[in-house]
Amino acid sequence: QKEVEQDPGPLSVPEGAIVSLNCTYSNSAFQYFMWYRQYSRKGPELLMYTYSSGNKEDGRFTAQVDKSSKYISLFIRDSQPSDSATYLCAMSALIIQGAQKLVFGQGTRLTINP
Amino acid sequence: NAGVTQTPKFRILKIGQSMTLQCTQDMNHNYMYWYRQDPGMGLKLIYYSVGAGITDKGEVPNGYNVSRSTTEDFPLRLELAAPSQTSVYFCASSYSTGGGNTIYFGEGSWLTVV
Repeated sequence: QKEVEQDPGPLSVPEGAIVSLNCTYSNSAFQYFMWYRQYSRKGPELLMYTYSSGNKEDGRFTAQVDKSSKYISLFIRDSQPSDSATYLCAMSALIIQGAQKLVFGQGTRLTINP
Repeated sequence: NAGVTQTPKFRILKIGQSMTLQCTQDMNHNYMYWYRQDPGMGLKLIYYSVGAGITDKGEVPNGYNVSRSTTEDFPLRLELAAPSQTSVYFCASSYSTGGGNTIYFGEGSWLTVV
């Protein structure tokens, strides 16, 4: 069983739609939960992170974590064509001397159609 | 502020050749990482470093070597390149033991082994 599972999609929705992206995980040692956005031929950029169960909102983006179910979600409201990218969930566990190990999901390729 | 800089951006290698991917960060981060990303997959940790002179293996270290002689630089060496090493390589750095908001990625190096 993979430590982190993410539906790879692809996902295509019309502009203005609400988008829901999801990941499940199996390792209870994960301490931080992140969503990265990756545009084509670019490095991942951190979109949101949280460390506790519940919701965290940032503009049109809401990250949700349910530690009891080992499930995280990212919601995008009023989606825009500029949101078209690959979204990667990532979980973080400390390794040695403070360095973090990030375990990524496979990524979901999202296209927002004008 | 350049952040994390990787060179080269693109490279084609023949089987059995060797090369070094360069990574430099100008943020005075202690922690540095190398990840690889295969098509449709999340990123996997190759090696990491917690400071100058200290490195350790990640999930997929076979076929690679690293060194960390300065805080700024963390080169990744590929010895005897194999087709399985065709991938996109990302260098990253972070400055604290905190959550994922501290990890910064470079723009990636696309490597093809033929």
